[in-house]
Amino acid sequence: GAGVSQSPSNKVTEKGKDVELRCDPISGHTALYWYRQRLGQGLEFLIYFQGNSAPDKSGLPSDRFSAERTGESVSTLTIQRTQQEDSAVYLCASSLDMSAEQYFGPGTRLTVT
Amino acid sequence: AQSVAQPEDQVNVAEGNPLTVKCTYSVSGNPYLFWYVQYPNRGLQFLLKYITGDNLVKGSYGFEAEFNKSQTSFHLKKPSALVSDSALYFCAVRDRSGNTGKLIFGQGTTLQVKP
Repeated sequence: GAGVSQSPSNKVTEKGKDVELRCDPISGHTALYWYRQRLGQGLEFLIYFQGNSAPDKSGLPSDRFSAERTGESVSTLTIQRTQQEDSAVYLCASSLDMSAEQYFGPGTRLTVT
Repeated sequence: AQSVAQPEDQVNVAEGNPLTVKCTYSVSGNPYLFWYVQYPNRGLQFLLKYITGDNLVKGSYGFEAEFNKSQTSFHLKKPSALVSDSALYFCAVRDRSGNTGKLIFGQGTTLQVKP
């Protein structure tokens, strides 16, 4: 079956612009996660969805970051007024439920110039 | 604070030799433990997990990991390394308590297997 997909694969934006990153999880996976991976570093948790609700938003670095999920499927991560330090690979993952292993998408590489 | 440590940035091993990639963690209670692998220009792939039971867990591609509660470690092992195993390996933990499935990742260890 299809895995987790993300779009766009690459995004270059100017400092101060808003960006939207999309994630399509594996069908039937109720849990969805966003992580950020800066160059040469490990993954940093951003937000967790169970269904369309987000019980854990503790990793969002500032109020410029927001995310939503609709139809217990697609999720969008929005970064407003992008800054250079936002440059990273943004990874989405999904799992059957909170306790199951997570399956990752290929990521969106965001570059803020 | 919860954390995961992978003390080696890089591990070098000759093809055919056994390999170990180390991971220690600091999480309250008994966490779930995971290993993921990231090949160049490819996404993160799940290798194996420890939930409960036997301390030795077997996973994909011949990898296994040993959970040691007293040492709070979860080292990744393989009896005979292949050149194709060369990749970036991440250890991750999840707290059993709380209402979140978030994973806490180590910084990653680059495994280089030489022919």
